[in-house]
Amino acid sequence: AQKVTQAQTEISVVEKEDVTLDCVYETRDTTYYLFWYKQPPSGELVFLIRRNSFDEQNEISGRYSWNFQKSTSSFNFTITASQVVDSAVYFCALSEVGGSQGNLIFGKGTKLSVKP
Amino acid sequence: GEEVAQTPKHLVRGEGQKAKLYCAPIKGHSYVFWYQQVLKNEFKFLISFQNENVFDETGMPKERFSAKCLPNSPCSLEIQATKLEDSAVYFCASSQLLAGGTGQETQYFGPGTRLLVL
Repeated sequence: AQKVTQAQTEISVVEKEDVTLDCVYETRDTTYYLFWYKQPPSGELVFLIRRNSFDEQNEISGRYSWNFQKSTSSFNFTITASQVVDSAVYFCALSEVGGSQGNLIFGKGTKLSVKP
Repeated sequence: GEEVAQTPKHLVRGEGQKAKLYCAPIKGHSYVFWYQQVLKNEFKFLISFQNENVFDETGMPKERFSAKCLPNSPCSLEIQATKLEDSAVYFCASSQLLAGGTGQETQYFGPGTRLLVL
């Protein structure tokens, strides 16, 4: 069965610290997509990144970087030099071409608090 | 439009009343998804559409929930006889495709409708 686990419920860091948010997924499909979304206190869901199962290249976008490892079924997200504006709940999600018919299966989220 | 639009932002209903939520997907997107977010963090998939056709309704509590996507109209999600447990934020998302590996399967979300059932 499909599943996304974000084991860290809450993380608190001080500004400028680096922080890594963990995501582990389970799927039987060979073709699938992984996503990270940010939900700030205002409530909207902001798309951050998408990865497909055939592309294991890591990605860096400014202070954000993502590490996709199929061998451990993980798709971790690192924020370098965190800022107060990074405070939000971050969701990892999985969609499968076959199993979930494109629906997003979300983890339960990690609440990140960045203190000044 | 360039963004998914949802109305209303907030909706308050007494238990047993009807609630109707609306969603306008991004222009050119063929797929629409409805999700329910309860307890702030847990997302539940409800239903998806491919244009005006139901694609997957495995998450819908069919006895009280219904949804439509008609041509030239916003999509809608209707809850008949609301219950306290329906209190949640309802998100609509749209994507161009379901798959492809080119980014067209990315789902973009609307701002949500916060439903409170008293």
